[in-house]
Amino acid sequence: SQTIHQWPATLVQPVGSPLSLECTVEGTSNPNLYWYRQAAGRGLQLLFYSVGIGQISSEVPQNLSASRPQDRQFILSSKKLLLSDSGFYLCAWSPGPQSADTQYFGPGTRLTVL
Amino acid sequence: AQKVTQAQTEISVVEKEDVTLDCVYETRDTTYYLFWYKQPPSGELVFLIRRNSFDEQNEISGRYSWNFQKSTSSFNFTITASQVVDSAVYFCALKSGGSYIPTFGRGTSLIVHP
Repeated sequence: SQTIHQWPATLVQPVGSPLSLECTVEGTSNPNLYWYRQAAGRGLQLLFYSVGIGQISSEVPQNLSASRPQDRQFILSSKKLLLSDSGFYLCAWSPGPQSADTQYFGPGTRLTVL
Repeated sequence: AQKVTQAQTEISVVEKEDVTLDCVYETRDTTYYLFWYKQPPSGELVFLIRRNSFDEQNEISGRYSWNFQKSTSSFNFTITASQVVDSAVYFCALKSGGSYIPTFGRGTSLIVHP
């Protein structure tokens, strides 16, 4: 069966510090991968998605970036965090690019920028 | 363009009451997929159900049931005999037009009091 991992689970970082959040998927190959952010107020904002190694699409311009160095690894980064980067970050995967494919979410990382 | 509306921001019920969460969607595509997710306080989005546009049969899974009505563009979710463990934010989502990017509603927060 497939599982998705995210770490760290929680993170408190000062403004201006770098960020690296990691997501890995097990039990599948060539998944579509996604990064979402959920700020207070619950709405899910899609940040990045990837259909393959090295292929990243950005949905929202910001000071975050994403990389996919391996097939089942997705990394969210920032060189300098802003207060507005605080939130709950969710990684998700789907089996493929079809509309029928269900997205499955990881446990999330709660980021607080002080 | 596609859109998902969850008009109920928050619902509060007492344990054992039945509760219905509304989801209204908009899409111009004839083939589309609807999803429900549960987000408990821990934060992880848990996949509950996927329904395609060609299958209007209602679905029942234990205390959960879903009513899909194309005539009203609705995909409502009913919890029978609610329990405290049902307290969570519930999201409805739509994928259509061959897109692998879902559109999420804003979510409905369900609070079940003992």
